[in-house]
Amino acid sequence: GNSVTQMEGPVTLSEEAFLTINCTYTATGYPSLFWYVQYPGEGLQLLLKATKADDKGSNKGFEATYRKETTSFHLEKGSVQVSDSAVYFCALSDGDTDKLIFGTGTRLQVFP
Amino acid sequence: DAGVIQSPRHEVTEMGQEVTLRCKPISGHDYLFWYRQTMMRGLELLIYFNNNVPIDDSGMPEDRFSAKMPNASFSTLKIQPSEPRDSAVYFCASSPPGAGGPLKGEQFFGPGTRLTVL
Repeated sequence: GNSVTQMEGPVTLSEEAFLTINCTYTATGYPSLFWYVQYPGEGLQLLLKATKADDKGSNKGFEATYRKETTSFHLEKGSVQVSDSAVYFCALSDGDTDKLIFGTGTRLQVFP
Repeated sequence: DAGVIQSPRHEVTEMGQEVTLRCKPISGHDYLFWYRQTMMRGLELLIYFNNNVPIDDSGMPEDRFSAKMPNASFSTLKIQPSEPRDSAVYFCASSPPGAGGPLKGEQFFGPGTRLTVL
């Protein structure tokens, strides 16, 4: 079945460092891919998405490119801020249903 | 616009008691999802509705859990009787029409209800 695998956290960085959070997926068909972010004490929020191969989603300085050949959707940011500290979830849309398949989440901690 | 509204935000109860969690989706959204989040099991989909009809309840852990959506603006998740292992954060999320198309996957989450069963 469809699944998403994320790198385990926590990822600990200093402010202004480069961020990569790896995400790979297994899916039949052509799912859409998503990154959601969960700030402390809040629900998940959609950060960015890509609906087809080679699409790049971007928002708030974060980017991710839908790579069909490597079945990946890695999240990147050139310069992280303390305010980016959160848990990041990679997800894909299940082709046969209206469900999202979430990864386990990766906690990012950014220190000044 | 108001987002997804959940109540209560925190609930502390004793084992064996009935617990009811409430959700008001974003107006105009026709999909509603209930999730449970714990450290051990991560984020789990419990059940989801489309146009007030339950579509998939395969994630509901056992008969103690039930969910209803009597109208487009209200849903409940009930646990009866509650057990300590039900302690978790419960999220409600909604999606707009067209979630089967270009908007697929765009779910809007509420702030969650933190449930503690003693």
